[in-house]
Amino acid sequence: NAGVTQTPKFRILKIGQSMTLQCAQDMNHNYMYWYRQDPGMGLKLIYYSVGAGITDKGEVPNGYNVSRSTTEDFPLRLELAAPSQTSVYFCASGSSELNTEAFFGQGTRLTVV
Amino acid sequence: GQNIDQPTEMTATEGAIVQINCTYQTSGFNGLFWYQQHAGEAPTFLSYNVLDGLEEKGRFSSFLSRSKGYSYLLLKELQMKDSASYLCAVMDSNYQLIWGAGTKLIIKP
Repeated sequence: NAGVTQTPKFRILKIGQSMTLQCAQDMNHNYMYWYRQDPGMGLKLIYYSVGAGITDKGEVPNGYNVSRSTTEDFPLRLELAAPSQTSVYFCASGSSELNTEAFFGQGTRLTVV
Repeated sequence: GQNIDQPTEMTATEGAIVQINCTYQTSGFNGLFWYQQHAGEAPTFLSYNVLDGLEEKGRFSSFLSRSKGYSYLLLKELQMKDSASYLCAVMDSNYQLIWGAGTKLIIKP
């Protein structure tokens, strides 16, 4: 099993550009999450999904969008990138609501200049 | 508001024991998690506590006191590879994980 696969690993964007961070999991998990992690800060939830076709906002959703057309994929869309979106982004998945173990992708380091 | 507090950084010696504390104030409680994160890598799951008491897993143990809003992660027989950040996270009443900023553990020979 590959687990949770995120692409790309690194990206530099110019202000105002858009991009999609890809996330795929092969563990048949219903729950998927997008977090951002800023230096010295805890993980902040951007969006999450409890199953295909269902998404909901987390703590810091502004400037992002998601979709969940299949169980496996949960892409994160950045529209009109801003320097404040410079961060490390992690996708994670879990098999139950209690999230007894979340599996994380390797992260995407995004810089907006 | 919801809050998770952990020390920012700790230093310990190879072969020794270290205790990393975590205090929390959240709206509801559905369990507390500890994750390990090496620099530049993704967090990996270490432990989950939902009932009071100590959970032991090899060299790592995690303790929870719900009445005190307190947990600690105990690492024994420290090895250089234990140098990492340790993240405490609490699942609140909405089943969302609230994360602490993490404790950077530095192991010295």
